[in-house]
Amino acid sequence: EAGVAQSPRYKIIEKRQSVAFWCNPISGHATLYWYQQILGQGPKLLIQFQNNGVVDDSQLPKDRFSAERLKGVDSTLKIQPAKLEDSAVYLCASSPTDGVGYEQYFGPGTRLTVT
Amino acid sequence: KNQVEQSPQSLIILEGKNCTLQCNYTVSPFSNLRWYKQDTGRGPVSLTIMTFSENTKSNGRYTATLDADTKQSSLHITASQLSDSASYICVVSDRGSTLGRLYFGRGTQLTVWP
Repeated sequence: EAGVAQSPRYKIIEKRQSVAFWCNPISGHATLYWYQQILGQGPKLLIQFQNNGVVDDSQLPKDRFSAERLKGVDSTLKIQPAKLEDSAVYLCASSPTDGVGYEQYFGPGTRLTVT
Repeated sequence: KNQVEQSPQSLIILEGKNCTLQCNYTVSPFSNLRWYKQDTGRGPVSLTIMTFSENTKSNGRYTATLDADTKQSSLHITASQLSDSASYICVVSDRGSTLGRLYFGRGTQLTVWP
């Protein structure tokens, strides 16, 4: 079975620029997560989708971050405008149901550097 | 406040030696506890998942224990290998809603030297 795919793997941008990340979850997985992982820390949930609906976006900085999951499959995460503190790895994960007691499968992540 | 604390922050051991990583949590209510291994430049990969009623679970050379009364878990690695060098993350899930929240620790960075 193919894993969670993410692109790009690396991105370097200047502050105030915009950037978008793409995630393709494992086929058939209803739940999709975006995490932000700052160096030396554990992942922090940004947003959780169940099919194409948002379940939890309480930690998403909505003034600059946005995410969508069209047709309940692929998802994009956008940052506009980027700040220096957004430098992190952005992980996408998917789960066959809601994730409680079920496995989350992570993608390789996108490493973002904001200069 | 729901938190997951891991210790030590980093650990260096020689190849072939055993080690134990610790995880303390204050998450309540509790649904399950997971240990993930994250290689550099990769996403986390699950090692074990334990529910309230389980107090030990093994996955090859990895053995996790859970004491739900004291809210502590440990991950024991036996006969370490160079490929065990990674960050090990403890994650606790609540059952406060039908779609539980996952609480992540900061991870323990393990380095295995030859």
